[in-house]
Amino acid sequence: SQQGEEDPQALSIQEGENATMNCSYKTSINNLQWYRQNSGRGLVHLILIRSNEREKHSGRLRVTLDTSKKSSSLLITASRAADTASYFCATDAVQAGTALIFGKGTTLSVSS
Amino acid sequence: DVKVTQSSRYLVKRTGEKVFLECVQDMDHENMFWYRQDPGLGLRLIYFSYDVKMKEKGDIPEGYSVSREKKERFSLILESASTNQTSMYLCASRMAQGGYTFGSGTRLTVV
Repeated sequence: SQQGEEDPQALSIQEGENATMNCSYKTSINNLQWYRQNSGRGLVHLILIRSNEREKHSGRLRVTLDTSKKSSSLLITASRAADTASYFCATDAVQAGTALIFGKGTTLSVSS
Repeated sequence: DVKVTQSSRYLVKRTGEKVFLECVQDMDHENMFWYRQDPGLGLRLIYFSYDVKMKEKGDIPEGYSVSREKKERFSLILESASTNQTSMYLCASRMAQGGYTFGSGTRLTVV
């Protein structure tokens, strides 16, 4: 039951540019979360946005949520080579109990 | 630092073996989860637990079982390992509806 779908699947940019990743989902949610995964490692929680919030910031990260369109975006400003990783959105669906449902991720490559 | 610890980073097992993957968290979280991650398929939920001795099947429970005898420990068991269970296994925990804390993952190869 894949709920979130990220777009694009892969993104390549230069250092200093902004990176935007999008996530669409299907059912009502309590919140939506974004995670980062460096190659071969576990995922790291980046940011959580609740269903009654429209925008949230954390450092160079900006997340928006549009519940009417069932979509979210993650913007990373002034990208660095260290931002190279896979990024996943995860939805805390109202019907899904306590388990998050993850998308397949966007692979971001930032070159110097 | 709070953490989720998975007992092995890399594991190689033979077909038919019984395999135990251990996960321990030190955050007093009620909820614990096991996912597997495969290229092109993303993260798929195997089992989760919302309390000691409680378990719920996820999307792909076949061939797996779990054990949660203590709050801090959630074990994934492959009853009879098969080559199609070669994968990266990720354990996570959380309180209520917050974010997950993940372990570093166990890359299991079944030969």
